[in-house]
Amino acid sequence: GAGVSQSPSNKVTEKGKDVELRCDPISGHTALYWYRQSLGQGLEFLIYFQGNSAPDKSGLPSDRFSAERTGGSVSTLTIQRTQQEDSAVYLCASSLGQSYTFGSGTRLTVV
Amino acid sequence: GENVEQHPSTLSVQEGDSAVIKCTYSDSASNYFPWYKQELGKGPQLIIDIRSNVGEKKDQRIAVTLNKTAKHFSLHITETQPEDSAVYFCAAAPGTGRRALTFGSGTRLQVQP
Repeated sequence: GAGVSQSPSNKVTEKGKDVELRCDPISGHTALYWYRQSLGQGLEFLIYFQGNSAPDKSGLPSDRFSAERTGGSVSTLTIQRTQQEDSAVYLCASSLGQSYTFGSGTRLTVV
Repeated sequence: GENVEQHPSTLSVQEGDSAVIKCTYSDSASNYFPWYKQELGKGPQLIIDIRSNVGEKKDQRIAVTLNKTAKHFSLHITETQPEDSAVYFCAAAPGTGRRALTFGSGTRLQVQP
């Protein structure tokens, strides 16, 4: 597609439930990144994919967070047993070189 | 790992004035320094970038300068307009190891008409 697409744009979930966030990168972009942005804060790195493998998952905050990428394209970020501190905007970006293109994010609210 | 610090956290200027945002980085091997603009409800958008073999780059009203020795880089916006109001993030890419950008904490720029 023309840009990076993320879905859903908004998600409200109850504490303890699992959620899946989806990212459709720009076609042909081999690298894909997930970041988290808490209210009024900067961008916190979560995980990076090159193709389908994740050379760097050092930013995942706990083992409740996982991500996968299939076919070198779509990526899913899964948060299990959500907690209130997981509330944030989750941003996905893709790139060919060093320049990123971001999606508009998924705003996750855990109540 | 890389650490990027950004100042100021908020900046208010009058329309037509200049705005300067500064960042420092810790990893001397970093080689790529982009700036992103984030408007409300949107993802960050790349506005300008500079590589470590260049000291300055300009694009119309926007310029970025890099001082590798001091490990700092700055964004300069001249003749500011209300539509420049947004949050601006600097970032640095490591020369080795992890490929992901490390971002500064952001600067909220408000241009008063």
